[in-house]
Amino acid sequence: AQKVTQAQTEISVVEKEDVTLDCVYETRDTTYYLFWYKQPPSGELVFLIRRNSFDEQNEISGRYSWNFQKSTSSFNFTITASQVVDSAVYFCGYAGNMLTFGGGTRLMVKP
Amino acid sequence: GAGVSQSPRYKVAKRGQDVALRCDPISGHVSLFWYQQALGQGPEFLTYFQNEAQLDKSGLPSDRFFAERPEGSVSTLKIQRTQQEDSAVYLCASSLLSRPSYEQYFGPGTRLTVT
Repeated sequence: AQKVTQAQTEISVVEKEDVTLDCVYETRDTTYYLFWYKQPPSGELVFLIRRNSFDEQNEISGRYSWNFQKSTSSFNFTITASQVVDSAVYFCGYAGNMLTFGGGTRLMVKP
Repeated sequence: GAGVSQSPRYKVAKRGQDVALRCDPISGHVSLFWYQQALGQGPEFLTYFQNEAQLDKSGLPSDRFFAERPEGSVSTLKIQRTQQEDSAVYLCASSLLSRPSYEQYFGPGTRLTVT
């Protein structure tokens, strides 16, 4: 069975700091997809990124960047110059036959 | 455009009562998923529909849980004889394509409290 681990349960930073959220997964599948979702206080999960297992290129979208390393089974997420609006719970997900989420990392960005 | 909607947003049930939770997916989305999210945890998969067919119900925790999507659009998750451990947020998601590996759009959830 697949397993997704987000070891950091809670991170607190001051606005404008960079922050990296870690995600490690376990699988025997050769083809799979990895996701990050954001869950703000309103509760609705917001899709951030989807990456397939054959594409290890890092991706940057504005202040967000993702580092996928198949060799270490990690898919880490970095927010550059964090803002208060980034405060939320972030979930890493693995999709094989179903979408499996990690336990989430609560990010608090203080002004 | 309209996103995924769920109703009710909040539901309080006495132990032993039956509840029905509704999900309206994005129009035209083939796949529909239900998840259960306990407080402080990540969402856990319950069941998956492709159109009206329930392709995977391996995540349903007991036979008290039942889901349907009779016309391939709106879905209902029913919980019979609710127990306190059923208290959680129930999330619905839909996807344009037919596999769980595609982007899923989530609704705001229904928070169920069993007293």
